Amino acid sequence: AQKITQTQPGMFVQEKEAVTLDCTYDTSDPSYGLFWYKQPSSGEMIFLIYQGSYDQQNATEGRYSLNFQKARKSANLVISASQLGDSAMYFCAMREATLSGYALNFGKGTSLLVTP
Amino acid sequence: EAGVAQSPRYKIIEKRQSVAFWCNPISGHATLYWYQQILGQGPKLLIQFQNNGVVDDSQLPKDRFSAERLKGVDSTLKIQPAKLEDSAVYLCASSLGVAGGAQETQYFGPGTRLLVL
Repeated sequence: AQKITQTQPGMFVQEKEAVTLDCTYDTSDPSYGLFWYKQPSSGEMIFLIYQGSYDQQNATEGRYSLNFQKARKSANLVISASQLGDSAMYFCAMREATLSGYALNFGKGTSLLVTP
Repeated sequence: EAGVAQSPRYKIIEKRQSVAFWCNPISGHATLYWYQQILGQGPKLLIQFQNNGVVDDSQLPKDRFSAERLKGVDSTLKIQPAKLEDSAVYLCASSLGVAGGAQETQYFGPGTRLLVL
């Protein structure tokens, strides 16, 4: 079963506007971590932001914020004041315990295109 | 602080040939991961090392893939023999691996793009 669901294959946003990338997750473990990564065309996965399952406040890192709704099992990424350099693939991932340690499961990603 | 290093960046081989990828993690990171990312998908974990021991290799196709992490630092991932479906980006990541747990962040290298013809 898919543990991380990103329902938007592609998104467009105009420069300087805000954009929300959706992510829902599935787990029965009370302790887990949610991550967002950016993957530009060069291929490297760049860590953006982290939200812990026990965190009371939504995480923020500069122009990135995470809209964490635990009851709905959603962890949407909000990018404010979009820039042309934000054009990339964005992956939501969840880290949770397994029998052999901890695993990071990724969604299929959302392609974001920022237009002038 | 230097990031995760990988080489080569690109590799083109014919099916049934062998190929090896190299990864050097962030200094001091005890845990190292190899992921396979097929076009249009998110990365999938192949193998995880804690120092030089394997923690999880449940998704590694062991009939053709092998990996080692001698001395608990650098790692190599080998495919022998390669198949067409192995065409993908192979990403190496590392994490501190000391506190562990759900909050541990993984940092990725630039990846190796493999094309099997």
